[in-house]
Amino acid sequence: NAGVTQTPKFQVLKTGQSMTLQCAQDMNHNSMYWYRQDPGMGLRLIYYSASEGTTDKGEVPNGYNVSRLNKREFSLRLESAAPSQTSVYFCASRDTIRGYTFGSGTRLTVV
Amino acid sequence: GENVEQHPSTLSVQEGDSAVIKCTYSDSASNYFPWYKQELGKGPQLIIDIRSNVGEKKDQRIAVTLNKTAKHFSLHITETQPEDSAVYFCAASITSGSRLTFGEGTQLTVNP
Repeated sequence: NAGVTQTPKFQVLKTGQSMTLQCAQDMNHNSMYWYRQDPGMGLRLIYYSASEGTTDKGEVPNGYNVSRLNKREFSLRLESAAPSQTSVYFCASRDTIRGYTFGSGTRLTVV
Repeated sequence: GENVEQHPSTLSVQEGDSAVIKCTYSDSASNYFPWYKQELGKGPQLIIDIRSNVGEKKDQRIAVTLNKTAKHFSLHITETQPEDSAVYFCAASITSGSRLTFGEGTQLTVNP
């Protein structure tokens, strides 16, 4: 049982490049989330998907897009990366009883 | 929306001592308060949670207390061990099924 799997684990981009962060969960959870983690700022919600076929903005959606491809997969896309998007990105899925399960993160550096 | 503040941002204790981390929240409608532990290079993991109908909850060396009137809740770790060293996050939401708002995190270091 893998839980939440994120790829890649590390990525370096040049300003203006695009990329997609992948997330998949095998727990049959309906809800999935993308957070970014920056020093001293905790975890901030970028986008979430309450169920397959729906997505909604969180606190910091600017510069990102998401796709809920199916119940298992929820991807985050940076269309034109900026240095301000240098961060650690976490995907999570939610069980209403046991709460959130997080992936191990993607460390992104934009130069 | 909900705002969660967490203190202190860093905490250093000697092995065997107790550690306390405090959080305040702004939305009186919040009823679910989990705590997450994040070890280096890993994602946060749920360690304990409390709902508003309970004032205190314990799990071995970890306890959480909630004061709904004052809108604050705390994590207490007793008999700390080096493996307790990590970043701890508090969070709040209206229900366990709602979106979580996280505090800024506390870096706990337990010195042998």
